[in-house]
Amino acid sequence: KAGVTQTPRYLIKTRGQQVTLSCSPISGHRSVSWYQQTPGQGLQFLFEYFSETQRNKGNFPGRFSGRQFSNSRSEMNVSTLELGDSALYLCASSIGQGTLNTEAFFGQGTRLTVV
Amino acid sequence: AQTVTQSQPEMSVQEAETVTLSCTYDTSENNYYLFWYKQPPSRQMILVIRQEAYKQQNATENRFSVNFQKAAKSFSLKISDSQLGDTAMYFCAFITSGSARQLTFGSGTQLTVLP
Repeated sequence: KAGVTQTPRYLIKTRGQQVTLSCSPISGHRSVSWYQQTPGQGLQFLFEYFSETQRNKGNFPGRFSGRQFSNSRSEMNVSTLELGDSALYLCASSIGQGTLNTEAFFGQGTRLTVV
Repeated sequence: AQTVTQSQPEMSVQEAETVTLSCTYDTSENNYYLFWYKQPPSRQMILVIRQEAYKQQNATENRFSVNFQKAAKSFSLKISDSQLGDTAMYFCAFITSGSARQLTFGSGTQLTVLP
């Protein structure tokens, strides 16, 4: 069974631009979560989508947004990029319902560099 | 506030030896799960082991085991017979019923297995 696929793997953008990252979850998984990983702040939760609805949101400015499509694929968008947005963005998929014990499977991430 | 603390930024161990990684956490919830994830240089987060807070028995997965001390809110990871492939960043994390499937991560411990 295919794993979680994140595209693109690497991205370089200029300050002020916007960017869209994509995540395709494991087949049958309806929950997609996004995390930002930086050396200074570590792993921080951005948001989680389940069945096309945002269920939970972390403490990030409104420049960070996301959506989920009917096939469970998710995109996250960052507008007006800042240097501090440079990070590894990780996507995790899970079944999304029932016990909390359902495992979250992570993609390999998208490395975003803002110059 | 829900927090995870990993007090050992870096550790090293000789191949075939045993190493223990420390983790403490803080939550007021009663229903939660604890996890250890490993992130090798490929950047993909891989679940190593999980523990349900209601289970007193410590989880074990092959060479990996945990020491779960609920009253002390401690969740350490023991790796036996360390292998070169165990070299990675290890993250302690937990999820609670109140956090709507948001994983809270520690800052990580970089483990290096020496030949």
